[in-house]
Amino acid sequence: EAGVAQSPRYKIIEKRQSVAFWCNPISGHATLYWYQQILGQGPKLLIQFQNNGVVDDSQLPKDRFSAERLKGVDSTLKIQPAKLEDSAVYLCASSPGTGGAWSTEAFFGQGTRLTVV
Amino acid sequence: GQQVMQIPQYQHVQEGEDFTTYCNSSTTLSNIQWYKQRPGGHPVFLIQLVKSGEVKKQKRLTFQFGEAKKNSSLHITATQTTDVGTYFCAGRDTGGFKTIFGAGTRLFVKA
Repeated sequence: EAGVAQSPRYKIIEKRQSVAFWCNPISGHATLYWYQQILGQGPKLLIQFQNNGVVDDSQLPKDRFSAERLKGVDSTLKIQPAKLEDSAVYLCASSPGTGGAWSTEAFFGQGTRLTVV
Repeated sequence: GQQVMQIPQYQHVQEGEDFTTYCNSSTTLSNIQWYKQRPGGHPVFLIQLVKSGEVKKQKRLTFQFGEAKKNSSLHITATQTTDVGTYFCAGRDTGGFKTIFGAGTRLFVKA
């Protein structure tokens, strides 16, 4: 079974520039997550989709971050304009479950390492 | 809001010693998951606990979920160098939709 695909693997941009990340989840997985992982910290949920609807985006800085999941499959996460503190690894994950106590495991992609200079 | 705290932040052990990491939530959880992240890698699912007081074992790893479903632990018996990495707990709220990760415990194993 193919895993979660993310691109690019690495990105270096200057502050105030824009950047976009792409994620292709495991086929058939209803739930897709975007996490931000700053060095030395645990993953922080930015946004969670169930199919093509948003379940939770309470920690997404909506003034600069946006995400969409067209047709309930692939997803893109955009930052515009980027700040120095956005430097982190952006992880995409997918899960076949739709939530609840019996939710299933999340499968993570390799992540995109963003450096803002 | 919900917070998940994990201790210790770091642990250095000699190969063969035991290791334990603890996870505490500020609110009651519907389930808790444990992940391992190798240096430079991505989190990989280890296990999920759902029932109050549940204990699960995977070879040298023992996972426990507290009676109140607010805390959990991961214990590794006789660590090996392959156990090196960061262990994260991730607690799902009782609403069933939001999963919050702890900050992780980074394990160093000296051969």
